[in-house]
Amino acid sequence: AQKITQTQPGMFVQEKEAVTLDCTYDTSDQSYGLFWYKQPSSGEMIFLIYQGSYDEQNATEGRYSLNFQKARKSANLVISASQLGDSAMYFCAMKGARGGNKLTFGTGTQLKVEL
Amino acid sequence: AAGVIQSPRHLIKEKRETATLKCYPIPRHDTVYWYQQGPGQDPQFLISFYEKMQSDKGSIPDRFSAQQFSDYHSELNMSSLELGDSALYFCASSLGRQGSTNEKLFFGSGTQLSVL
Repeated sequence: AQKITQTQPGMFVQEKEAVTLDCTYDTSDQSYGLFWYKQPSSGEMIFLIYQGSYDEQNATEGRYSLNFQKARKSANLVISASQLGDSAMYFCAMKGARGGNKLTFGTGTQLKVEL
Repeated sequence: AAGVIQSPRHLIKEKRETATLKCYPIPRHDTVYWYQQGPGQDPQFLISFYEKMQSDKGSIPDRFSAQQFSDYHSELNMSSLELGDSALYFCASSLGRQGSTNEKLFFGSGTQLSVL
């Protein structure tokens, strides 16, 4: 079984600053993938970034980077130079090699970017 | 680029009625997933299909059924609707490759179901 924990129900950040959204996970799989999705108020689920359990380097996608600490089982999302359009719910999710192909989601963090 | 298409976008039903949600995956994607997201909740996995066969099952009520057709589109059938079924229902698709951990799921815009 896989479990994702996001301990920050809500976060505030000033425009143009960086913000870190926390995510810890638990799995017995040796091979797994970690994902971050963004859900704006309009409801769609948008893929942001992926990190594989065997990847040695932290993933980056534009302003998004993933701070992967395997020993701590954490996969924090870092958003640099926050923009007003970054205000949304952010979900951390994972899939394990033995858990089928489905994603298991955390409870999400609501990010609000302020002027 | 083509995305996952879900219909309808919104659906209003009375208690005890039935509903059918449709999902058209990204072309060449062979796996379809259904998720239920209640208000303020994280998405909960319901069921998935790989190459038209059920591949995994989550917390899907017995009142719900789903299938994937020969053209890979999928339908979620919901009967005897209850107030608690009101939620956003997502369909997602991916390339299956069972056991692969790096194939990302692409989500549709969801169907907002309201049961009155």
